[in-house]
Parts: sequence; C-alpha cells; structure tokens
Amino acid sequence: ETGVTQTPRHLVMGMTNKKSLKCEQHLGHNAMYWYKQSAKKPLELMFVYNFKEQTENNSVPSRFSPECPNSSHLFLHLHTLQPEDSALYLCASSQDPRQGINPPYFGEGSWLTVV
Amino acid sequence: AQTVTQSQPEMSVQEAETVTLSCTYDTSESNYYLFWYKQPPSRQMILVIRQEAYKQQNATENRFSVNFQKAAKSFSLKISDSQLGDTAMYFCAFMKHGTNAGKSTFGDGTTLTVKP
Repeated sequence: ETGVTQTPRHLVMGMTNKKSLKCEQHLGHNAMYWYKQSAKKPLELMFVYNFKEQTENNSVPSRFSPECPNSSHLFLHLHTLQPEDSALYLCASSQDPRQGINPPYFGEGSWLTVV
Repeated sequence: AQTVTQSQPEMSVQEAETVTLSCTYDTSESNYYLFWYKQPPSRQMILVIRQEAYKQQNATENRFSVNFQKAAKSFSLKISDSQLGDTAMYFCAFMKHGTNAGKSTFGDGTTLTVKP
C-alpha cells in the first residue's frame, strides 16, 4: 500500500543534530497521527491532528515537535534526542471518526537511530 | 479505559495449515470496532480485517476470518491455508465508535512464523 508514505525510511542522527521526519497521505483523510514503536513495548500514540489542528499530545518530550501544515502532510521535527528515542516512528491517517468505522492506515515507518 | 490482550507472544504454523490467533479485550462501551493488523518485516502495519461490534456476523477477507464473541469479549483471527508471506507480527486493536482512529488501543502483538 502506498496511501501513506514516510521519509526517510532510515535515519541516524547524533544527539545534537536536528532532523525531521515527513509523512504524506494520499487517501483524502483529515486526521493524522504519529506513533512510536520500540522493541518489547506496545505501540505508543504520540500526537493526534484533526483538520490540521493538534488535538492530543500524549506527554511527549519537547524534543519532539510535530507540524501539520495541511491535512495531507505531517512532520516530526527532532532535536537533541536521546539514545532511548531510537525506535520505529509510524505515521497513520484516518477519515473523520464521526463517519463510522474508519481505522488508521499506516505508513511504512521511519527507523530512527540516535547515536 | 480499554485494554487489549494477546496472550500468545509467538506462534508457528506449517505452510498450508490453519492457525488461530487469540485476542481478548475489556471495555464498558457497547459501540466499537475491532481490527487485526499485520506487520511484516517491512514494518508497515497493514489492515487485515475489521469488525463492527453491532454486527453478529463474523468478518471474512479471503483466507482471513474472525471469531467474534461479544459477550466473552473475544476476537480471534483465523488464517486458513497459511502462506510464507503471512509471516509477520499481528496486532489486535480496539476502537471506540466516534473517536479518532489514532486513539485505538493495540495489543502487544503475536509473532507468527509460517514454516515451509
């Protein structure tokens, strides 16, 4: 499936670097999400955007900064990360939840390694 | 709050055989949806099958079917005629009606290996 695309697929960054992850959805959805998936841990929801507005921030450290310029694009800006932030970051999108069953559709993820 | 439990961290099955992955959930909601996702080594989470709680009929998608027992809060996934490409981690997910899909509750996953 290519409805949700994420770039880059792999990223290695130092703790003092600044980088960004990008997500783009081609499904006409109006909600987008960032998740973190670490080994041996359940999927963690980080941020929720509805119609470009952030509606949820699940106590994510400020070194992660999301940006949603429009309903099709979502960014995750990264700065001064820690090694424990190394993980797979998944982006997902969905249609308006008030319109019935609308599961999240995921991208392929961005593997982040902090050295 | 909802919880989703997948009690089988790992499973294996011979190619062409049938395997069932278990999932139980806990909720006080009456209107909700349940999903199974597949995450192959490529890491993309792919929606496999969906079930509306108000529907008694079990969902089916080709070789994938579910056994939805609402009273028991059980939602198992059956894979028939297993193929090597079915090797993946499988996640069960719960979504309350009317909420953001991204706020779905996911289980910890079951790693399925299909052996030739």
